[in-house]
Amino acid sequence: AQTVTQSQPEMSVQEAETVTLSCTYDTSESNYYLFWYKQPPSRQMILVIRQEAYKQQNATENRFSVNFQKAAKSFSLKISDSQLGDTAMYFCAFMKSSNTGKLIFGQGTTLQVKP
Amino acid sequence: ETGVTQTPRHLVMGMTNKKSLKCEQHLGHNAMYWYKQSAKKPLELMFVYNFKEQTENNSVPSRFSPECPNSSHLFLHLHTLQPEDSALYLCASSWTSGGVGETQYFGPGTRLLVL
Repeated sequence: AQTVTQSQPEMSVQEAETVTLSCTYDTSESNYYLFWYKQPPSRQMILVIRQEAYKQQNATENRFSVNFQKAAKSFSLKISDSQLGDTAMYFCAFMKSSNTGKLIFGQGTTLQVKP
Repeated sequence: ETGVTQTPRHLVMGMTNKKSLKCEQHLGHNAMYWYKQSAKKPLELMFVYNFKEQTENNSVPSRFSPECPNSSHLFLHLHTLQPEDSALYLCASSWTSGGVGETQYFGPGTRLLVL
């Protein structure tokens, strides 16, 4: 069975600085997808970034980028130039490529961006 | 935020009550999902529907009964719940559930309290 682990329950960062959230996963699959979702306080969960395991290039979306290390089964999220609106809970998630849409989530990391 | 809507946003019910949660997606998707988000636990997938057919039941107790009358609407009927069922219930949708690495779009959730 696949598992996703986020070892940092809470983190904080000063506005405009860079922060990295860690995520590790366990799977015997060779092809799969990884996601980072953001859940702001009392707001909807939205997709931040998505990575396909067979692509070696790390995904980037504006200030958000990932460091995908397939051999180490690590998928960290880097947020550059942190903004107050980045304050949220961040979830790492895994999906097998052959699956029925089943997303497996980590426990989440609460990120506080301080002014 | 009109992509995926959920009603009600908050619900308090007794253990002998019967209530229903409603989810509607306006994205033209064909797959819909129910997730349970409890404090200090990862999101748990409950049910998956693809083109109105249930394709996943993640060993959910029978006191939770899903219904998907069409690809735009998803219900979760609740009866004789337990206090430990108190949680945030999230609905999500995607183009299909069998697609490869499909992004899921989430609703704002229904905060359920069982007394």
